[in-house]
Amino acid sequence: DVKVTQSSRYLVKRTGEKVFLECVQDMDHENMFWYRQDPGLGLRLIYFSYDVKMKEKGDIPEGYSVSREKKERFSLILESASTNQTSMYLCASSSQQGWSNQPQHFGDGTRLSIL
Amino acid sequence: DAKTTQPPSMDCAEGRAANLPCNHSTISGNEYVYWYRQIHSQGPQYIIHGLKNNETNEMASLIITEDRKSSTLILPHATLRDTAVYYCIVRFAHRGSTLGRLYFGRGTQLTVWP
Repeated sequence: DVKVTQSSRYLVKRTGEKVFLECVQDMDHENMFWYRQDPGLGLRLIYFSYDVKMKEKGDIPEGYSVSREKKERFSLILESASTNQTSMYLCASSSQQGWSNQPQHFGDGTRLSIL
Repeated sequence: DAKTTQPPSMDCAEGRAANLPCNHSTISGNEYVYWYRQIHSQGPQYIIHGLKNNETNEMASLIITEDRKSSTLILPHATLRDTAVYYCIVRFAHRGSTLGRLYFGRGTQLTVWP
């Protein structure tokens, strides 16, 4: 089974802090994604990566950055946390095998609260 | 990506089959149909996906109509642990760096009762 592990289930940080969310997958997937999920807004893509050291902006990249130094690990960074970044953050990964119809597999999420 | 329409909620008795419909009348020829579910406070869980043919795996069956404008997810013997929000998504499959984001709509809240 695919395993996507997010480092924390719950996290509380203060406004202005630099926040790191970590995600590790064990299936040797090339693609990794960061989403946030908010009530009434569904999932919104923040950033994704299709290879080590490669990254592309999603729909809402402002206020975030990412790092992919190793294939299995994709980090999301909140440069200076703000209260409007309080959300559920979801990491996902998928294989590039064949066409890009391979499903994305998700971690259990990190519920981040910014005070 | 094509828009999908699902009923907001459904009920099912434990042990019975749960049939969850999805309408995707604007689907294009190379868009796949995916189903995910999300149990409260957990990440979305992939269930199944297909293009034209019906698909079955250990979790569920996916029935896609011949014109591909709608599909049904079937959980053959629903259990209490199947209570979740079920999302039907259509997504374009293509090569290249644009991998295609997943758009989750409101989904169907399935409640399985004893």
